[in-house]
Amino acid sequence: SQTIHQWPATLVQPVGSPLSLECTVEGTSNPNLYWYRQAAGRGLQLLFYSVGIGQISSEVPQNLSASRPQDRQFILSSKKLLLSDSGFYLCAGTYRAGYNEQFFGPGTRLTVL
Amino acid sequence: AQTVTQSQPEMSVQEAETVTLSCTYDTSESDYYLFWYKQPPSRQMILVIRQEAYKQQNATENRFSVNFQKAAKSFSLKISDSQLGDAAMYFCAYRRVSGGSYIPTFGRGTSLIVHP
Repeated sequence: SQTIHQWPATLVQPVGSPLSLECTVEGTSNPNLYWYRQAAGRGLQLLFYSVGIGQISSEVPQNLSASRPQDRQFILSSKKLLLSDSGFYLCAGTYRAGYNEQFFGPGTRLTVL
Repeated sequence: AQTVTQSQPEMSVQEAETVTLSCTYDTSESDYYLFWYKQPPSRQMILVIRQEAYKQQNATENRFSVNFQKAAKSFSLKISDSQLGDAAMYFCAYRRVSGGSYIPTFGRGTSLIVHP
């Protein structure tokens, strides 16, 4: 079965520091991959999605960027974190066949101080 | 653009009773997929149930079932014999059948509280 790994689980970073969150996928190849941010008690905000290596689409303008260096690897980055970047970040993947429901990683809780 | 509305920010239920979470959506498509996801306090999102729009039969997964009313664009989730472990945020999601990006549209969620 498919599994998404995310790390770290928790991260506390100072304002202005860089960020790198990694997401890797097991159990399926050539998935579509997504980065979401979720504020406390709120819904999911889609940040980026990727349909293949090197292909990134941004949904909202922001201080973040994403990259997909390998088929099963998706990275969320920032050169300089802002306080507003705090939140819960979820990586998700989708099969390219069937129901195409998303499967999610365990998430990373980011606190920017 | 498609929208998904969950009009109940919070619902509560007594253990062993039944609760229904509502979801409505707006689309001009005739075929699509609908999903319910559960996000417990651990925040790991888990697929609960899915429904294909062209199937008239309501999907069922153990204690979870849906009431899919295509004409009314309604997709409610019924949880029978509620358990303490059902306490979570529940998200309704819609996705078109075609489209290379496979991006679903999520509702804002309903927080379910289960009382012992």
